[in-house]
Amino acid sequence: QKEVEQDPGPLSVPEGAIVSLNCTYSNSAFQYFMWYRQYSRKGPELLMYTYSSGNKEDGRFTAQVDKSSKYISLFIRDSQPSDSATYLCAMTGSSNTGKLIFGQGTTLQVKP
Amino acid sequence: DADVTQTPRNRITKTGKRIMLECSQTKGHDRMYWYRQDPGLGLRLIYYSFDVKDINKGEISDGYSVSRQAQAKFSLSLESAIPNQTALYFCATSDSRQGTSSGANVLTFGAGSRLTVL
Repeated sequence: QKEVEQDPGPLSVPEGAIVSLNCTYSNSAFQYFMWYRQYSRKGPELLMYTYSSGNKEDGRFTAQVDKSSKYISLFIRDSQPSDSATYLCAMTGSSNTGKLIFGQGTTLQVKP
Repeated sequence: DADVTQTPRNRITKTGKRIMLECSQTKGHDRMYWYRQDPGLGLRLIYYSFDVKDINKGEISDGYSVSRQAQAKFSLSLESAIPNQTALYFCATSDSRQGTSSGANVLTFGAGSRLTVL
C-alpha cells in the first residue's frame, strides 16, 4: 500500500463548477501538506501549503487537512479552463527535511 | 531566466550508455533534489543534498549517482542506462532557513528532463 493515495482521474468538469480533489495517507507522522499544480510539459509549482490540521484559503482555492481521518482535500471554486492541469498532493513529517512523499496526481480538465 | 534550469530537456539514448542530467539554480537555496515521475506512480525521490558536502540516497537510488559540484549545481548520472529508467526527471530546490509558517519543505522545481532509453 502506498503511503499517499490519490485518484489519478481524469476528472472532467464544466467551467464554473466546484472541484474537489482528495488524498488519503497512512503515515500519522505527516505534518506538512502541500498541493502542487503541474501543467503539461512543465514542472510542478506550489499551489497551497498547510501545516498540521485545518483549512487554508487563497482566492478560489481552499485546502483542508483532517489528520484524524488522514485525509486532505483541495477545493477549486468557479473553475476555469486555465485550471486544467495535474494536481499533486505532497506531504512530509515534522522534521524540516524537504523530502516529500507525493500522491500519483489527479488530471483535471475544465471544459469551456 | 528560470530559477531552476535543467539540461537537456529531452534526451533519447540506448541501453548501456552513460547519461548525465544537469541542474543549476539561481535561488540561493542550499538544498537540492532529484525526483523522477512515472505515469501512475507520481514523483519519487532519487537523491538529495543539503549542502555541497552532503549527499543522501532517496527512495529509488539504485542505478543512479549524483554530484553536487557547487551550491548551485547538482547533476544526476545514469552509469549504464536501462529501458526502465525511461521517465521524466525533475530537479528541485528548497531553503532550509524558511520557517514552518512561511513554507518549510516547499520545493521549487525545474521544467524537467525527459529521458528515453531504447
